[in-house]
Amino acid sequence: AQSVTQLDSQVPVFEEAPVELRCNYSSSVSVYLFWYVQYPNQGLQLLLKYLSGSTLVKGINGFEAEFNKSQTSFHLRKPSVHISDTAEYFCAVSEDNAGNMLTFGGGTRLMVKP
Amino acid sequence: NAGVMQNPRHLVRRRGQEARLRCSPMKGHSHVYWYRQLPEEGLKFMVYLQKENIIDESGMPKERFSAEFPKEGPSILRIQQVVRGDSAAYFCASSLTVIGNSPLHFGNGTRLTVT
Repeated sequence: AQSVTQLDSQVPVFEEAPVELRCNYSSSVSVYLFWYVQYPNQGLQLLLKYLSGSTLVKGINGFEAEFNKSQTSFHLRKPSVHISDTAEYFCAVSEDNAGNMLTFGGGTRLMVKP
Repeated sequence: NAGVMQNPRHLVRRRGQEARLRCSPMKGHSHVYWYRQLPEEGLKFMVYLQKENIIDESGMPKERFSAEFPKEGPSILRIQQVVRGDSAAYFCASSLTVIGNSPLHFGNGTRLTVT
């Protein structure tokens, strides 16, 4: 079985400050890792994904994440946030031999203040 | 190319009524997934379908819930005899192939309120 833990339910940060949203996972097999963003009353939008290869993954809107196999982590970072980044962020994992469902973390609400 | 379309956006039902949620996947996508998001929680997988087939329904409640994806038309998530605990946002997603090669594309969800 796989699971995803997002330790921070809310992260307040001032505009133009850097931010890191933490994600840890557990799985007995290799995984695919994803970060999704959800704006109010909308569906999820894919920010970035790790399938294989380079452990540093760059996504849309200036976000990036680093896959750390030894620490089973996939933290999301942005060097300078904007007010428009205020949203809910979900980390998700899929085992590569399952291929048919994602396991999501509980989400982290990023609140960017002026 | 239109994205994943879900309707209705909002659905209000009284306890005991039936709820039907519709999902039209992206053009060319034959894999459909349903997820449920309870208030203040992450998404939970419910069911995975391909055309006319249920592939994985391990996340579906054993009673009152059913899903289909017919050869023609949208995928339908059906909840019979709704109860207040069914109130949630239900998201549909589609993919071109299995996850890994083709990430999920999500719709904007249907927010079900049971009164």
